[in-house]
Amino acid sequence: RKEVEQDPGPFNVPEGATVAFNCTYSNSASQSFFWYRQDCRKEPKLLMSVYSSGNEDGRFTAQLNRASQYISLLIRDSKLSDSATYLCVVNMFRASKIIFGSGTRLSIRP
Amino acid sequence: EAGVAQSPRYKIIEKRQSVAFWCNPISGHATLYWYQQILGQGPKLLIQFQNNGVVDDSQLPKDRFSAERLKGVDSTLKIQPAKLEDSAVYLCASSSSVGGQAYGYTFGSGTRLTVV
Repeated sequence: RKEVEQDPGPFNVPEGATVAFNCTYSNSASQSFFWYRQDCRKEPKLLMSVYSSGNEDGRFTAQLNRASQYISLLIRDSKLSDSATYLCVVNMFRASKIIFGSGTRLSIRP
Repeated sequence: EAGVAQSPRYKIIEKRQSVAFWCNPISGHATLYWYQQILGQGPKLLIQFQNNGVVDDSQLPKDRFSAERLKGVDSTLKIQPAKLEDSAVYLCASSSSVGGQAYGYTFGSGTRLTVV
């Protein structure tokens, strides 16, 4: 089983729709979590951190469920510019390991 | 603040040749990472440095890959000899702490390697 798993998609949704991705992790020692965004042929860029209490940044909401070992990303009122690959990142400080998921491709259509 | 610098941006080599990539992290960032990203996959950590010491190189194919970070600043990643399956984007990232706090974990634009 992969340490970090994501649905690869692609998710193809109309502009204005709400879309959600999940990411599961296998190691309960995982300590911090992030969502990164990667545009085609570009490097990954930090989208947001994920906190136990859940956090929101504009149209984006991230949540962490430690009991079930998954994190989620919700995008409301999606824009064409949201089309990208979204990478889930899990950080285990004690093991000094940072693990990326394979990414979920999102395509927003007009 | 200047970002993570990488060079070259693109490289095409024949199999069995050697290649080297260079990375200059953000000034003051103690931790430097090299990732390999194959098309359609997430980045895979190859090696992690804390200053000039190796923290994790468990996924580095040591028979052909080597990396160094002399003086704890710039780093080079070398492949010798290259194989077709090494075709990928090689990403360098740096952070201001071990484990990578979100605000300090930044990628360079990567080197796209094609082995033919």
